[in-house]
Amino acid sequence: AIQLTQSPSSLSASVGDRVTITCRASQGISSSLVWYQQKPGKAPKFLIYDASSLESGVPSRFSGSGSGTDFTLTISSLQPEDFATYYCQQFNSYPITFGQGTRLEIK
Amino acid sequence: QVQLVESGGGVVQPGTSLRLSCAASGYTFSSYNMHWVRQAPGKGLEWVAVIWYDGSNKYYADSVKGRFTISRDNSKNTLYLQMNSLRAEDTAVYYCARRRSGSSNALDIWGQGTMVTVSS
Repeated sequence: AIQLTQSPSSLSASVGDRVTITCRASQGISSSLVWYQQKPGKAPKFLIYDASSLESGVPSRFSGSGSGTDFTLTISSLQPEDFATYYCQQFNSYPITFGQGTRLEIK
Repeated sequence: QVQLVESGGGVVQPGTSLRLSCAASGYTFSSYNMHWVRQAPGKGLEWVAVIWYDGSNKYYADSVKGRFTISRDNSKNTLYLQMNSLRAEDTAVYYCARRRSGSSNALDIWGQGTMVTVSS
């Protein structure tokens, strides 16, 4: 199975900061990577597909990049509602796998 | 509106069985692949299984292969997860999710989840 490793596992930041989360795959997955946001007690929310394509309705401060094994999620200017846990997910091959998550906390 | 509603969770003993259901509404259920994803308390997301829109293909996580069976009834707009030989490590919130339409993969619609607790 393809392993996804996110870094950092947790991150403290302030409103207005620029934040980058990394997701590394154990083997190449082309651009078959998705990013989700999850808030406590809620289902995940889909943000980005194909590594860099923004889902309709997702604020433009979110962006994704990368291909092959290295991917990033960037939030250009943190808003209060962005404090949550973020997960990457690969769809390149079965079994589908998720990263372990990155918890973004308010500093 | 597009909605997924899971049901069937509960507290069960190790070694027993449980069947989860996911009722879909607001879209053409029979046109979409469907997934189950779970999340143990305080842990991350774990993909469980997928079934093709017509039931022709199914894939499972290694952790549930041989114990869990995904199925669907397109006439009832319902997805199922039959869970047998349950273990303590299967304790989790179970979400059903829809694979988005088009050529690109992602899970665009999620249910609210149903809790399964396996404990003696």
